[in-house]
Amino acid sequence: NAGVTQTPKFQVLKTGQSMTLQCAQDMNHNSMYWYRQDPGMGLRLIYYSASEGTTDKGEVPNGYNVSRLNKREFSLRLESAAPSQTSVYFCASSEIQGGNSPLHFGNGTRLTVT
Amino acid sequence: KNQVEQSPQSLIILEGKNCTLQCNYTVSPFSNLRWYKQDTGRGPVSLTIMTFSENTKSNGRYTATLDADTKQSSLHITASQLSDSASYICVVSTGGGNKLTFGTGTQLKVEL
Repeated sequence: NAGVTQTPKFQVLKTGQSMTLQCAQDMNHNSMYWYRQDPGMGLRLIYYSASEGTTDKGEVPNGYNVSRLNKREFSLRLESAAPSQTSVYFCASSEIQGGNSPLHFGNGTRLTVT
Repeated sequence: KNQVEQSPQSLIILEGKNCTLQCNYTVSPFSNLRWYKQDTGRGPVSLTIMTFSENTKSNGRYTATLDADTKQSSLHITASQLSDSASYICVVSTGGGNKLTFGTGTQLKVEL
């Protein structure tokens, strides 16, 4: 059971380039999330999808777009990368949004924008 | 503003010793409090989720306590092992559990 799988693991971009971070879960979870983790800060929510077919902005959505491709897959796109988007990006899933449903995280994508 | 503060920022202990990590929060209204363990280079893994009515919850050698009146939680690790070396993150949820506020974590190192 793979859980939550993220690709790629590492990426270096130049300012202005675009890329898509991929995430897939095999736990039949309804809700999926994208977080970023920066030194000295708690994880911050970028976008989430409470259920297939829906997406909503989180705390720090500017500069990002998302697609809930199907129940398993949730991608994050950077249209024009900026150095401020250098971060570690985590995808997570949960059985339902909210309540006492724990988040299951992938192992992250380490992105550097030069 | 909802905040979650953890202390200490970092901690070094000898293998076999116990330790306690602290979490204070100002999140309101409270839904639940979670502790996660994050190994270096990996994603966080859930240890416990505690609701308002739960004072103590254990997961193996990990025991979390919650005092909703004083808005404090602690994570106690018993008989530490080298594999306990990680960052421990406190997370408080509000809005029926829909909105999570993450602490910055306590970095624990267990040495021989």
